[in-house]
Amino acid sequence: GAVVSQHPSRVICKSGTSVKIECRSLDFQATTMFWYRQFPKKSLMLMATSNEGSKATYEQGVEKDKFLINHASLTLSTLTVTSAHPEDSSFYICSARETSDREQFFGPGTRLTVL
Amino acid sequence: GQNIDQPTEMTATEGAIVQINCTYQTSGFNGLFWYQQHAGEAPTFLSYNVLDGLEEKGRFSSFLSRSKGYSYLLLKELQMKDSASYLCAVLDSNYQLIWGAGTKLIIKP
Repeated sequence: GAVVSQHPSRVICKSGTSVKIECRSLDFQATTMFWYRQFPKKSLMLMATSNEGSKATYEQGVEKDKFLINHASLTLSTLTVTSAHPEDSSFYICSARETSDREQFFGPGTRLTVL
Repeated sequence: GQNIDQPTEMTATEGAIVQINCTYQTSGFNGLFWYQQHAGEAPTFLSYNVLDGLEEKGRFSSFLSRSKGYSYLLLKELQMKDSASYLCAVLDSNYQLIWGAGTKLIIKP
């Protein structure tokens, strides 16, 4: 099956710093990538959808200036959490799909802890 | 509004069979997915149904009835490693995935 990698898998940072998370599709071209966050014992919450070469579409309530998304190529999308605060601590998961009628393949997730 | 309903938690015995139901009300329908998610890990794909009927894949089967807005995931010969959350998700008319809250399945020996 298709493989999506995510880096780093775990990051601990101080409040006020910025953190970049990378999501890569390793063996297919991802026309669309998705960023989710998940709090403990809760379901996935879609943050934004990004199509290669265009601006990301953010879900209601997600601050686009705080969560910067770049999808510069068909195999790479990045999420930057700017000026992170303890409430941003969460499990961030990316997914990618090749075409609209195919399943999303998930990266392994990044656990962010902001002290 | 769009809504996906599935039970919060289920308990079953090792070696038994369990059925996890999912009902949905969405704006359009382009398929229904089931994902498995172990604690602290990302979801992994289990099945995709777009036509009515039963799809069997090893110990796991998934059923869809579009007219009833209903699906179920059937797990046979349960193993301890099947303890996980099972997420139902529907691809709506905009090809956006609408997620259920997940069903936590607890397997007891």
